[in-house]
Amino acid sequence: QSVLTQPPSVSGAPGQRVSISCTGSSSNVGAGYDVHWYQQLPGTAPKVLIYGNTNRPSGVPDRFSGSKSGTSASLAITGLQAEDEADYYCQSYDNSLSGYVFGTGTKVTVL
Amino acid sequence: VKLLESGGDLVQPGGSLRLSCTASGFTFSANAMSWVRQAPGKGLEWISFLSGDSAGTFYADSVKGRFTISRDNSKNTLYLQMNSLRAEDTAVYYCAKWKGLKMISYYVDYWGQGTLVTVSS
Repeated sequence: QSVLTQPPSVSGAPGQRVSISCTGSSSNVGAGYDVHWYQQLPGTAPKVLIYGNTNRPSGVPDRFSGSKSGTSASLAITGLQAEDEADYYCQSYDNSLSGYVFGTGTKVTVL
Repeated sequence: VKLLESGGDLVQPGGSLRLSCTASGFTFSANAMSWVRQAPGKGLEWISFLSGDSAGTFYADSVKGRFTISRDNSKNTLYLQMNSLRAEDTAVYYCAKWKGLKMISYYVDYWGQGTLVTVSS
């Protein structure tokens, strides 16, 4: 049911860079609404990684960065580490649904 | 900031359940809150929103008419009344605190640990 589409999985070796896309439409990301990113480690609640498209909360390493263009947004992880192995979700607002939407989720595997 | 959910249980299809979320460490009445759920092995699904003063509320279509979100600011507690439960409502339910300048730009800055609701006969 999610209107924000993410790749099911991405993987990379330690130290590499990976990127996760979040593709929406004209009623959410394309409408100019902010995109936020969350990391969910196995068996735990999600945690915000990026808010307002590009901002990192204090305590989040600068290896994580966000960007947005048109109807899509991306999360990049540089210098991949074993502890980054987790599920990642994007989130925005959708004016046709009049509510918040999460992406389909992406599992990051560190090889 | 702490958010502690309770009330999750095994319930039969068609049954009802009320979840609670007790908040501490911030001015509860000044913050919008939501419930977000995650079915086993699945992704996150936002289901309900309630403004700090309870004036603004909205729901995902999947629960509209069956679930009711409410709050008691004197008790720093958020609730979710769930009626007419279905098997597809089985999930971990998270209490979530919103942050942001405008509702349309809100993001969750704190999550509870979640409470499991299982709907099965």
